[in-house]
Amino acid sequence: EAQVTQNPRYLITVTGKKLTVTCSQNMNHEYMSWYRQDPGLGLRQIYYSMNVEVTDKGDVPEGYKVSRKEKRNFPLILESPSPNQTSLYFCASRGGQGCGETQYFGPGTRLLVL
Amino acid sequence: DAKTTQPTSMDCAEGRAANLPCNHSTISGNEYVYWYRQIHSQGPQYIIHGLKNNETNEMASLIITEDRKSSTLILPHATLRDTAVYYCIVRVARCWDNYGQNFVFGPGTRLSVLP
Repeated sequence: EAQVTQNPRYLITVTGKKLTVTCSQNMNHEYMSWYRQDPGLGLRQIYYSMNVEVTDKGDVPEGYKVSRKEKRNFPLILESPSPNQTSLYFCASRGGQGCGETQYFGPGTRLLVL
Repeated sequence: DAKTTQPTSMDCAEGRAANLPCNHSTISGNEYVYWYRQIHSQGPQYIIHGLKNNETNEMASLIITEDRKSSTLILPHATLRDTAVYYCIVRVARCWDNYGQNFVFGPGTRLSVLP
């Protein structure tokens, strides 16, 4: 089954404690990205990657890092989490046949930073 | 500026067709219309997309007006599980902007399917 997986699904942590949220896709997509979703603000892109070793900032990259060492994995790293990073996070990958490329989302990771 | 406008919310009776409208009056010739939905805090789910012809798949039908300035997503027999926020997105087709165009999610339409 084609899918995007994320782990963990839920995470409670404290300010300053480094954490990593993993993301993996099995569709051989080149493009992957991370979003955060907050009430009233919709989905905002954090970082994206067009291919292995190619990453770039999205709309809200401050406080986050990413890496793309393999095509299927795109982890999100919070070096020193702060309470304002409490949010619902989604990983996504894009691909498809022809011109109508489609984006697929993971199930989400709900993060609470105390 | 928003590329699409959708009603904030809609209700639909279970078993009836749900018709969700979307206005995209400034759509360009190289832009597709996409529909996604998000069921309470789950990841957005792809439904359907089209360029100018009407499209149908196992989930829904997409009707695009001839001038392409508006479209309607049709869920033929809505169930309680179709209660979700539905997003209409226009995006430059991959042919013209390889991976450059982001999917921009606006506030969408909150569809409530009532028993």
